[in-house]
Amino acid sequence: AQKVTQAQTEISVVEKEDVTLDCVYETRDTTYYLFWYKQPPSGELVFLIRRNSFDEQNEISGRYSWNFQKSTSSFNFTITASQVVDSAVYFCALGTGANNLFFGTGTRLTVIP
Amino acid sequence: DVKVTQSSRYLVKRTGEKVFLECVQDMDHENMFWYRQDPGLGLRLIYFSYDVKMKEKGDIPEGYSVSREKKERFSLILESASTNQTSMYLCASSFLAGGFYNEQFFGPGTRLTVL
Repeated sequence: AQKVTQAQTEISVVEKEDVTLDCVYETRDTTYYLFWYKQPPSGELVFLIRRNSFDEQNEISGRYSWNFQKSTSSFNFTITASQVVDSAVYFCALGTGANNLFFGTGTRLTVIP
Repeated sequence: DVKVTQSSRYLVKRTGEKVFLECVQDMDHENMFWYRQDPGLGLRLIYFSYDVKMKEKGDIPEGYSVSREKKERFSLILESASTNQTSMYLCASSFLAGGFYNEQFFGPGTRLTVL
């Protein structure tokens, strides 16, 4: 069965703090894709990153970084020096099998000025 | 910029009504998707389409149907709305090339309330 768990329902941090959003996935497939999307208050989900199962390299994009570890089935997302504009709901998703994308339940991040 | 638009941000309907949710994208994407988003459940795929007049069921198709007569437009239809279909509905689109798991571009959502 395919499953994505985002155990952190809500996180609050003070501006400029670093924050890590956890994502744990389950799949028996050897080929799969992992995603992170951001949903700001406006409602439109915005794509952040896609990783395939054969590429375990960590990625950094500005203040954002992602840590993909197959050994622990995790794909965690870290925001460095958080800003108020980072306040949003963040979704991790797993793409595998017959054309379906499984989303986690999301983590609501609030960055306090 | 890719733009996905949905016909309404907020919609209130009565039980038993037929409801149409419209989605239009302007980037010539082959794939289009309808999701519903509920608190504590994340996003769940209702239907998707990879070409005009083609459709595939997602995780929760019961109570819904879809129509794709033109490439840019994908409609979600609630034949007889029920209160358990009160939800946020999100439309998305993506290119087909490279597979199903390309970046998806989302619309702003329609918050539907069924009374």
